[in-house]
Amino acid sequence: SQQGEEDPQALSIQEGENATMNCSYKTSINNLQWYRQNSGRGLVHLILIRSNEREKHSGRLRVTLDTSKKSSSLLITASRAADTASYFCAASGGYNKLIFGAGTRLAVHP
Amino acid sequence: SQTIHQWPATLVQPVGSPLSLECTVEGTSNPNLYWYRQAAGRGLQLLFYSVGIGQISSEVPQNLSASRPQDRQFILSSKKLLLSDSGFYLCAWRAKSSYNSPLHFGNGTRLTVT
Repeated sequence: SQQGEEDPQALSIQEGENATMNCSYKTSINNLQWYRQNSGRGLVHLILIRSNEREKHSGRLRVTLDTSKKSSSLLITASRAADTASYFCAASGGYNKLIFGAGTRLAVHP
Repeated sequence: SQTIHQWPATLVQPVGSPLSLECTVEGTSNPNLYWYRQAAGRGLQLLFYSVGIGQISSEVPQNLSASRPQDRQFILSSKKLLLSDSGFYLCAWRAKSSYNSPLHFGNGTRLTVT
């Protein structure tokens, strides 16, 4: 079964608005990671939050983690058209593998 | 710096034909290696991972197989392709140094089985 499940499946916003994506997972984790995928390309790592962390920032990205609810959120502030992509969370399902969710497709309109 | 190469970028194969996709990593040694498949508009399904030469773990039973003949080479194969094997295949590597090392992906191979 999938470790990560993103919500919403698709999100459409205007440039300058904030975009929030949520992720839920099912079992204990070492960390939770967020990746970005431009259409037809490989995934690129964005940010990692460890299981003992509650919030982490990187540029315009803010990630939160609630291990009691087994959930995480990714906030992109002041979005740009170039942020248009699919975003995936990945939960560490053991030392050797990451299990990905179905992703959120973000469209940012100029 | 580390790089990962996947080829070919696109492939169209008839049902029943064999498959061989190759992935190589440069600039690192003894990585964990992974094959994922992504159906159109969907998430990633972990197919195989390898922690060392000749060591393959299969996550999903199917007509695909993987091999790791060298430390930085990972090959995905099939003897006879099915229509359901169509998809976007992604290879990735990860350093063993920490639980918190990220995955680094190649640019993928889009396979269409006709």
